[in-house]
Amino acid sequence: RKEVEQDPGPFNVPEGATVAFNCTYSNSASQSFFWYRQDCRKEPKLLMSVYSSGNEDGRFTAQLNRASQYISLLIRDSKLSDSATYLCVVNSRGANFGNEKLTFGTGTRLTIIP
Amino acid sequence: DGGITQSPKYLFRKEGQNVTLSCEQNLNHDAMYWYRQDPGQGLRLIYYSQIVNDFQKGDIAEGYSVSREKKESFPLTVTSAQKNPTAFYLCASTPIANYGYTFGSGTRLTVV
Repeated sequence: RKEVEQDPGPFNVPEGATVAFNCTYSNSASQSFFWYRQDCRKEPKLLMSVYSSGNEDGRFTAQLNRASQYISLLIRDSKLSDSATYLCVVNSRGANFGNEKLTFGTGTRLTIIP
Repeated sequence: DGGITQSPKYLFRKEGQNVTLSCEQNLNHDAMYWYRQDPGQGLRLIYYSQIVNDFQKGDIAEGYSVSREKKESFPLTVTSAQKNPTAFYLCASTPIANYGYTFGSGTRLTVV
């Protein structure tokens, strides 16, 4: 089983619609969770961290379900500019205490259609 | 403005050559990372360093080498031992533990 799994898509969604992505992770000891956005041929950029209580930033809502080991990202009122690949990222402890690293999912490609 | 700078943006390597990718940050971050991204695949960790003069192998370190002589700099050398080096290379940095990464804009390496 992969450490972090995402549906690769593509998701083709009309402008103004709501779209949701899920991501599952295998390491129950994972401590931190993030969603990144990556535009074509660009570097990933941090979209938002995911907190246990869930968090919202404008049209974006992230949630964490530790029991089922998944995180989600909800985009409301989608815009053309939301078209990108969304990467699910999990911080798993390495073999040595304190050596933590981020593990990236392969990403979900989203295209917003006018 | 603080940030993380990678150079060059595009790099072409002949078979059997070693090449070095530059990564510099002025964010005063302790930890730095090198990832490789191939089409249709997620980012894979090559090497990381959490302190000057110390670094650890990631998941795909074979054929690569790094150094961390200064806090600001973490260059990656792609050696001739790396059999499939064509990829998008991303450098990242973070203040230690539980923070998201800041990425550089990447270097596209192509073997010609």
